[in-house]
Amino acid sequence: DIQMTQSPASLSASLEEIVTITCQPSQDIGNYLSWYQQKPGKSPQLLIHSATSLADGVPSRFSGSRSGTQYSLKINRLQVEDTGIYYCLQGYSAPWTFGGGTKLELK
Amino acid sequence: EVQLVESGGGLVQPGRSLKLSCLASGFTFSNYGMNWIRQAPGKGLEWVASISSSSSYIYYADTVKGRFTISRDNAKNTLYLQMTSLRSEDTALYYCARQGVYYGLSYYFDYWGQGVMVTVSS
Repeated sequence: DIQMTQSPASLSASLEEIVTITCQPSQDIGNYLSWYQQKPGKSPQLLIHSATSLADGVPSRFSGSRSGTQYSLKINRLQVEDTGIYYCLQGYSAPWTFGGGTKLELK
Repeated sequence: EVQLVESGGGLVQPGRSLKLSCLASGFTFSNYGMNWIRQAPGKGLEWVASISSSSSYIYYADTVKGRFTISRDNAKNTLYLQMTSLRSEDTALYYCARQGVYYGLSYYFDYWGQGVMVTVSS
């Protein structure tokens, strides 16, 4: 099974700050990587698919990138509504696996 | 508008069975792969099972293989999860989710239901 190591586990940042979350798979997954945001009491929402493609309706301050085998989610100019838990997911092979999550809070 | 509405959850004793349903609307259900994903209280997301659009391909997490069965009825726009031999560790919020398609490939979840709670306890 492919393990997804996500970091950091928690993050506190200020309004308008730039935030970066990373995921490292245990083996090559190509661009089969997506990112999700989950707010308290809500279902997860797709942010990024195919490592770098912004999902429909997602603000442009969110972006995804890949550098070698490391994948990153970047939030430019952090807003109040961006707090929540973020997960990465590899869809390269079953069993599909999520990262452990990053809890993002406002400082 | 895409909607996924789960039902069938509840409190069940260890070793018993339960069947979840997910009613889809707002899209052509028979064109999309579907999945179940769960989240134990206060924990992260765990993928449970996947079924392709025509039910030709089915996959399970090792933690549920042999106990859970995913199925679908395209005529009824409904996804199912039959859960047997339930354990306390199966206690979770169960989400159904649609697989998005990008250039013919399908490897992410673009729409999620609101989830249905399953509690396994004596």
